[in-house]
Amino acid sequence: GIQVEQSPPDLILQEGANSTLRCNFSDSVNNLQWFHQNPWGQLINLFYIPSGTKQNGRLSATTVATERYSLLYISSSQTTDSGVYFCRLIQGAQKLVFGQGTRLTINP
Amino acid sequence: DTEVTQTPKHLVMGMTNKKSLKCEQHMGHRAMYWYKQKAKKPPELMFVYSYEKLSINESVPSRFSPECPNSSLLNLHLHALQPEDSALYLCASSQDPGNTIYFGEGSWLTVV
Repeated sequence: GIQVEQSPPDLILQEGANSTLRCNFSDSVNNLQWFHQNPWGQLINLFYIPSGTKQNGRLSATTVATERYSLLYISSSQTTDSGVYFCRLIQGAQKLVFGQGTRLTINP
Repeated sequence: DTEVTQTPKHLVMGMTNKKSLKCEQHMGHRAMYWYKQKAKKPPELMFVYSYEKLSINESVPSRFSPECPNSSLLNLHLHALQPEDSALYLCASSQDPGNTIYFGEGSWLTVV
Protein backbone atom coordinates (compact mmCIF):
# COMPACT_ATOMS: atom_id res chain seq x y z
CA GLY A 1 0.00 0.00 0.00
CA ILE A 2 0.86 3.64 -0.16
CA GLN A 3 3.56 4.81 2.25
CA VAL A 4 3.41 8.20 3.95
CA GLU A 5 6.30 9.85 5.77
CA GLN A 6 6.06 13.09 7.70
CA SER A 7 9.06 15.06 8.84
CA PRO A 8 10.30 16.13 11.23
CA PRO A 9 8.58 13.94 13.84
CA ASP A 10 9.09 16.61 16.49
CA LEU A 11 9.76 20.33 16.28
CA ILE A 12 10.28 22.80 19.11
CA LEU A 13 10.34 26.51 18.30
CA GLN A 14 10.10 29.87 19.97
CA GLU A 15 7.08 32.05 19.43
CA GLY A 16 7.47 34.11 16.29
CA ALA A 17 9.55 31.56 14.40
CA ASN A 18 8.64 30.10 11.02
CA SER A 19 8.43 26.39 10.26
CA THR A 20 8.05 23.98 7.37
CA LEU A 21 6.48 20.56 7.77
CA ARG A 22 6.79 17.94 5.07
CA CYS A 23 4.65 15.01 3.89
CA ASN A 24 6.19 12.55 1.41
CA PHE A 25 4.16 9.81 -0.21
CA SER A 26 5.07 6.82 -2.30
CA ASP A 27 2.31 6.72 -4.91
CA SER A 28 -0.02 9.00 -6.79
CA VAL A 29 -2.98 10.22 -4.79
CA ASN A 30 -6.31 11.80 -5.61
CA ASN A 31 -6.22 14.21 -2.74
CA LEU A 32 -4.36 15.34 0.32
CA GLN A 33 -5.47 17.10 3.48
CA TRP A 34 -3.56 18.76 6.29
CA PHE A 35 -4.96 18.72 9.84
CA HIS A 36 -4.01 20.25 13.15
CA GLN A 37 -4.85 18.22 16.23
CA ASN A 38 -5.05 20.43 19.28
CA PRO A 39 -4.17 19.26 22.80
CA TRP A 40 -7.85 18.41 23.44
CA GLY A 41 -7.92 15.95 20.55
CA GLN A 42 -9.89 18.01 18.07
CA LEU A 43 -8.76 17.51 14.47
CA ILE A 44 -9.10 20.74 12.55
CA ASN A 45 -9.05 20.97 8.78
CA LEU A 46 -6.29 23.21 7.51
CA PHE A 47 -6.10 22.55 3.79
CA TYR A 48 -7.52 20.28 1.15
CA ILE A 49 -4.77 20.47 -1.43
CA PRO A 50 -4.32 17.86 -4.17
CA SER A 51 -1.94 20.17 -6.00
CA GLY A 52 -0.79 23.75 -6.11
CA THR A 53 -0.55 26.28 -3.31
CA LYS A 54 -3.11 27.62 -0.88
CA GLN A 55 -2.83 30.21 1.84
CA ASN A 56 -4.92 30.93 4.90
CA GLY A 57 -3.56 33.68 7.13
CA ARG A 58 -0.22 32.64 8.59
CA LEU A 59 -0.51 29.15 7.13
CA SER A 60 0.11 28.02 3.60
CA ALA A 61 0.49 24.68 1.88
CA THR A 62 2.01 23.46 -1.35
CA THR A 63 1.54 20.05 -2.95
CA VAL A 64 3.72 18.90 -5.84
CA ALA A 65 1.86 15.78 -6.87
CA THR A 66 4.33 14.82 -9.61
CA GLU A 67 7.13 14.73 -7.04
CA ARG A 68 4.93 13.20 -4.35
CA TYR A 69 5.27 15.64 -1.52
CA SER A 70 3.38 18.36 0.27
CA LEU A 71 4.66 21.14 2.51
CA LEU A 72 2.89 23.05 5.26
CA TYR A 73 4.33 26.45 6.18
CA ILE A 74 3.59 28.19 9.44
CA SER A 75 4.82 31.75 9.79
CA SER A 76 5.12 33.87 12.94
CA SER A 77 4.26 30.88 15.15
CA GLN A 78 2.01 31.34 18.17
CA THR A 79 1.64 29.11 21.21
CA THR A 80 -1.81 28.14 19.97
CA ASP A 81 -0.14 26.52 16.94
CA SER A 82 1.19 23.79 19.22
CA GLY A 83 -0.17 20.33 18.62
CA VAL A 84 0.23 17.56 16.08
CA TYR A 85 0.02 18.17 12.35
CA PHE A 86 -1.13 15.30 10.17
CA CYS A 87 -1.32 14.86 6.44
CA ARG A 88 -4.01 12.51 5.19
CA LEU A 89 -3.86 10.98 1.73
CA ILE A 90 -6.78 9.86 -0.36
CA GLN A 91 -6.13 7.29 -3.08
CA GLY A 92 -9.34 6.41 -4.86
CA ALA A 93 -12.25 5.84 -2.49
CA GLN A 94 -10.72 2.89 -0.66
CA LYS A 95 -7.30 4.05 0.44
CA LEU A 96 -7.40 6.63 3.17
CA VAL A 97 -4.07 6.97 4.96
CA PHE A 98 -2.78 9.26 7.70
CA GLY A 99 0.87 10.11 8.17
CA GLN A 100 2.48 9.61 11.58
CA GLY A 101 2.31 13.33 12.31
CA THR A 102 4.67 16.13 13.31
CA ARG A 103 4.45 17.23 16.94
CA LEU A 104 4.99 20.99 17.09
CA THR A 105 5.71 22.78 20.35
CA ILE A 106 5.78 26.58 20.36
CA ASN A 107 7.34 28.03 23.50
CA PRO A 108 6.52 31.55 24.67
CA ASP B 1 -17.32 24.92 15.59
CA THR B 2 -17.39 21.41 14.25
CA GLU B 3 -20.53 20.39 12.37
CA VAL B 4 -20.01 16.78 13.34
CA THR B 5 -21.36 16.15 16.82
CA GLN B 6 -20.26 13.21 18.95
CA THR B 7 -21.74 12.01 22.22
CA PRO B 8 -20.74 11.29 24.86
CA LYS B 9 -17.48 13.22 25.10
CA HIS B 10 -16.23 10.93 27.85
CA LEU B 11 -17.27 7.36 28.63
CA VAL B 12 -16.02 4.95 31.27
CA MET B 13 -17.29 1.40 30.93
CA GLY B 14 -16.62 -1.98 32.42
CA MET B 15 -15.57 -4.96 30.35
CA THR B 16 -19.03 -6.52 30.66
CA ASN B 17 -20.96 -3.37 29.77
CA LYS B 18 -22.76 -2.56 26.56
CA LYS B 19 -22.59 1.07 25.48
CA SER B 20 -22.85 3.11 22.30
CA LEU B 21 -21.08 6.09 20.82
CA LYS B 22 -23.17 8.41 18.67
CA CYS B 23 -22.33 10.73 15.83
CA GLU B 24 -24.50 13.17 13.91
CA GLN B 25 -23.91 15.48 10.97
CA HIS B 26 -26.29 17.77 9.11
CA MET B 27 -24.07 18.77 6.22
CA GLY B 28 -25.76 16.38 3.80
CA HIS B 29 -22.62 14.26 3.62
CA ARG B 30 -22.99 10.75 2.28
CA ALA B 31 -19.85 9.20 3.74
CA MET B 32 -19.27 8.71 7.46
CA TYR B 33 -16.30 7.25 9.28
CA TRP B 34 -15.17 5.85 12.60
CA TYR B 35 -11.54 6.24 13.59
CA LYS B 36 -9.70 5.05 16.70
CA GLN B 37 -6.73 7.00 18.02
CA LYS B 38 -4.29 5.87 20.69
CA ALA B 39 -1.93 8.27 22.42
CA LYS B 40 0.86 9.62 20.21
CA LYS B 41 -0.42 7.74 17.17
CA PRO B 42 -2.33 8.89 14.08
CA PRO B 43 -6.04 8.13 13.75
CA GLU B 44 -6.63 4.57 12.58
CA LEU B 45 -9.55 3.91 10.26
CA MET B 46 -12.13 1.44 11.57
CA PHE B 47 -15.22 1.72 9.37
CA VAL B 48 -16.53 3.71 6.42
CA TYR B 49 -20.18 4.05 5.48
CA SER B 50 -20.99 5.29 2.03
CA TYR B 51 -24.64 6.08 1.22
CA GLU B 52 -25.65 4.33 4.45
CA LYS B 53 -23.91 1.09 3.49
CA LEU B 54 -20.79 -0.28 5.10
CA SER B 55 -18.06 0.05 2.48
CA ILE B 56 -14.89 -0.45 4.52
CA ASN B 57 -14.28 -2.57 7.61
CA GLU B 58 -10.62 -2.54 8.50
CA SER B 59 -10.72 -5.97 10.16
CA VAL B 60 -12.14 -4.52 13.35
CA PRO B 61 -13.01 -7.03 16.12
CA SER B 62 -16.69 -7.88 16.39
CA ARG B 63 -16.92 -6.32 19.85
CA PHE B 64 -17.20 -3.07 17.87
CA SER B 65 -20.42 -2.95 15.85
CA PRO B 66 -21.20 0.04 13.62
CA GLU B 67 -24.67 1.11 12.62
CA CYS B 68 -25.88 3.78 10.23
CA PRO B 69 -29.61 4.33 10.89
CA ASN B 70 -29.82 7.13 8.31
CA SER B 71 -27.60 9.45 6.32
CA SER B 72 -27.12 11.82 9.27
CA LEU B 73 -26.44 9.35 12.06
CA LEU B 74 -23.68 6.90 12.81
CA ASN B 75 -23.43 4.74 15.91
CA LEU B 76 -20.70 2.54 17.28
CA HIS B 77 -21.98 -0.17 19.60
CA LEU B 78 -19.51 -1.44 22.16
CA HIS B 79 -19.70 -4.78 23.94
CA ALA B 80 -17.22 -6.84 25.95
CA LEU B 81 -14.38 -4.40 25.36
CA GLN B 82 -10.88 -4.81 26.72
CA PRO B 83 -8.77 -2.22 28.57
CA GLU B 84 -6.57 -1.90 25.47
CA ASP B 85 -9.61 -0.56 23.60
CA SER B 86 -9.36 2.62 25.67
CA ALA B 87 -8.74 5.40 23.16
CA LEU B 88 -10.14 8.48 21.50
CA TYR B 89 -12.87 7.50 19.05
CA LEU B 90 -13.37 9.98 16.24
CA CYS B 91 -16.30 10.26 13.90
CA ALA B 92 -15.98 12.07 10.59
CA SER B 93 -17.97 12.78 7.48
CA SER B 94 -17.37 13.85 3.90
CA GLN B 95 -19.47 14.60 0.85
CA ASP B 96 -18.19 11.40 -0.74
CA PRO B 97 -15.43 8.99 0.35
CA GLY B 98 -12.78 10.82 -1.67
CA ASN B 99 -13.56 14.34 -0.53
CA THR B 100 -12.58 16.64 2.32
CA ILE B 101 -13.23 14.98 5.65
CA TYR B 102 -14.54 16.76 8.75
CA PHE B 103 -14.04 15.39 12.23
CA GLY B 104 -16.10 15.60 15.38
CA GLU B 105 -14.50 16.40 18.71
CA GLY B 106 -14.20 12.74 19.60
CA SER B 107 -15.31 10.49 22.43
CA TRP B 108 -12.72 9.59 25.04
CA LEU B 109 -13.33 5.97 26.03
CA THR B 110 -11.87 4.29 29.08
CA VAL B 111 -12.45 0.57 29.64
CA VAL B 112 -11.93 -0.59 33.22
